[in-house]
Amino acid sequence: AQKITQTQPGMFVQEKEAVTLDCTYDTSDPSYGLFWYKQPSSGEMIFLIYQGSYDQQNATEGRYSLNFQKARKSANLVISASQLGDSAMYFCATLKTSYDKVIFGPGTSLSVIP
Amino acid sequence: DTAVSQTPKYLVTQMGNDKSIKCEQNLGHDTMYWYKQDSKKFLKIMFSYNNKELIINETVPNRFSPKSPDKAHLNLHINSLELGDSAVYFCASSQPGQGYYGYTFGSGTRLTVV
Repeated sequence: AQKITQTQPGMFVQEKEAVTLDCTYDTSDPSYGLFWYKQPSSGEMIFLIYQGSYDQQNATEGRYSLNFQKARKSANLVISASQLGDSAMYFCATLKTSYDKVIFGPGTSLSVIP
Repeated sequence: DTAVSQTPKYLVTQMGNDKSIKCEQNLGHDTMYWYKQDSKKFLKIMFSYNNKELIINETVPNRFSPKSPDKAHLNLHINSLELGDSAVYFCASSQPGQGYYGYTFGSGTRLTVV
């Protein structure tokens, strides 16, 4: 069965600094996808970034980049130049492509300090 | 235009009541889902429908019954509500073949059972 581990329940980062949120996954599927979502205190789930297991390059979206290390089964999210609005819960998730089923990790609460 | 819309946003009800949450997507996606987020922020899939056909039915009490009148709508009906049903319920939709399956979440329905 697929499983996502996020070992950092809470993180703090100084404004304008970069921060890395850890994510490791466990899957036996040859084809899968990896997501990161942001959930601010308002509650909505905001899509940040996606990496397909066969993508050769690490995904980037603006200030977000995904450090994908397939052999280590890790998919860490790097946020550059943190902003106060980045304070939120961040969820790593894996997509089981054969069933369109997304398995979420437990989340990391990020607090950006001015 | 809201891509995945859920109603109501908030729902407070007494134990034993029956309630429904509605979800509609205007993305033309074939697959829709219900996820539950508990008080510890843990997100878990409950059901998925592909073109009105039930695809995923996780271990969910049979008091929960999804209904999909067409592929743009997936409603969740809950009978005999219990205190433990209090959670945030997210609807989502996706379309295989898109870059990240176009996985899109609604804004959530916060259900409180008193």
